[in-house]
Amino acid sequence: NAGVMQNPRHLVRRRGQEARLRCSPMKGHSHVYWYRQLPEEGLKFMVYLQKENIIDESGMPKERFSAEFPKEGPSILRIQQVVRGDSAAYFCASSSIAGGGGYTFGSGTRLTVV
Amino acid sequence: SQQGEEDPQALSIQEGENATMNCSYKTSINNLQWYRQNSGRGLVHLILIRSNEREKHSGRLRVTLDTSKKSSSLLITASRAADTASYFCATDAVGGGSNYKLTFGKGTLLTVNP
Repeated sequence: NAGVMQNPRHLVRRRGQEARLRCSPMKGHSHVYWYRQLPEEGLKFMVYLQKENIIDESGMPKERFSAEFPKEGPSILRIQQVVRGDSAAYFCASSSIAGGGGYTFGSGTRLTVV
Repeated sequence: SQQGEEDPQALSIQEGENATMNCSYKTSINNLQWYRQNSGRGLVHLILIRSNEREKHSGRLRVTLDTSKKSSSLLITASRAADTASYFCATDAVGGGSNYKLTFGKGTLLTVNP
């Protein structure tokens, strides 16, 4: 079991470009969560998805950010027209049920906007 | 203080000593979890303690939970240089149907000197 796989590990984008971050949950996990970690900070919840559905996107900025978890393939966090303030580590976690612990985190994607 | 806030912010000890980190939170919780993050890496789940538990052990780790004080502590005994990392507590809140959403503190940076 390969765990939660995130790619790329590091991503550099120029201001105004698009960033696509991918997350493949653990086998058997249908719940995916995205978190953002700014430098020297803890993780902040962004969005919770189940297959083909966004359940809670209350932590995701309303503009430029979107997330999906299609029926086939990984979950994608998409950031359009990136700005320097988007530079952060983005972590994905998955679980077999919602809540109750049992979350497995990926190694994260470190986005740098230059 | 914010939900899931750790103290101290930084702790430096010698190998073989014990390390104690504390976490305070504000709202009622279902579970409290501790995670470790090595520099520039992903989160590793250490231990979960439920709201009806007061103490839990796992190897060299001992976690306590005091729901009346809304606080938890993580004790690492006989520390090793490899324990050097940031340690985060994370809580999920009771009610509101969002117990899947973890709230992290800013973490305690532990340095174990050989």
